[in-house]
Amino acid sequence: DTEVTQTPKHLVMGMTNKKSLKCEQHMGHRAMYWYKQKAKKPPELMFVYSYEKLSINESVPSRFSPECPNSSLLNLHLHALQPEDSALYLCASTPDRGNEQFFGPGTRLTVL
Amino acid sequence: GQQVMQIPQYQHVQEGEDFTTYCNSSTTLSNIQWYKQRPGGHPVFLIQLVKSGEVKKQKRLTFQFGEAKKNSSLHITATQTTDVGTYFCAGVPTDSWGKLQFGAGTQVVVTP
Repeated sequence: DTEVTQTPKHLVMGMTNKKSLKCEQHMGHRAMYWYKQKAKKPPELMFVYSYEKLSINESVPSRFSPECPNSSLLNLHLHALQPEDSALYLCASTPDRGNEQFFGPGTRLTVL
Repeated sequence: GQQVMQIPQYQHVQEGEDFTTYCNSSTTLSNIQWYKQRPGGHPVFLIQLVKSGEVKKQKRLTFQFGEAKKNSSLHITATQTTDVGTYFCAGVPTDSWGKLQFGAGTQVVVTP
């Protein structure tokens, strides 16, 4: 299995909702990433997990809460989001930091 | 701020023509990676360059890494409609803990 899967594919939520994004990989990769991508912009790093521990938080607002339950799974919990948080949320994994990253198809999030 | 500059931002190409996109980093890179993102899709890894002056080819795509390991280029010959998409370079600075520094991307439109 050489792919990263993400669910849901699309998500529409109100500003008072709580939702979660899920990412899964079965390639044995030990580094996993959350990115946010706005239209016509490059991916913007949010969080990095290495060996299931949060290694990097790029000053992301606390309304985004990451979780790594095990080496194959990565979640992003969302609460009290703002309309400007609407974007494509990408998960990626890599066998080792600095090497090629395998991106999932993303979750397209709309906050109303 | 963004440390990897990429030009041009847009490239309109006639089918069959060649084009080049360039990346320049303000810092020395341990490696540079190239990704392609089709419209509506997610970034897909193309290549990684590690050595100073390295040149790699993938069919009609030629990738170069500068001698100082600060700049890179992607040259596509005989452009086809399947080349449509946005090409991102992503540098890994030597002190970045493996974080990718994405360029702004070159959006390629191919006219038949």
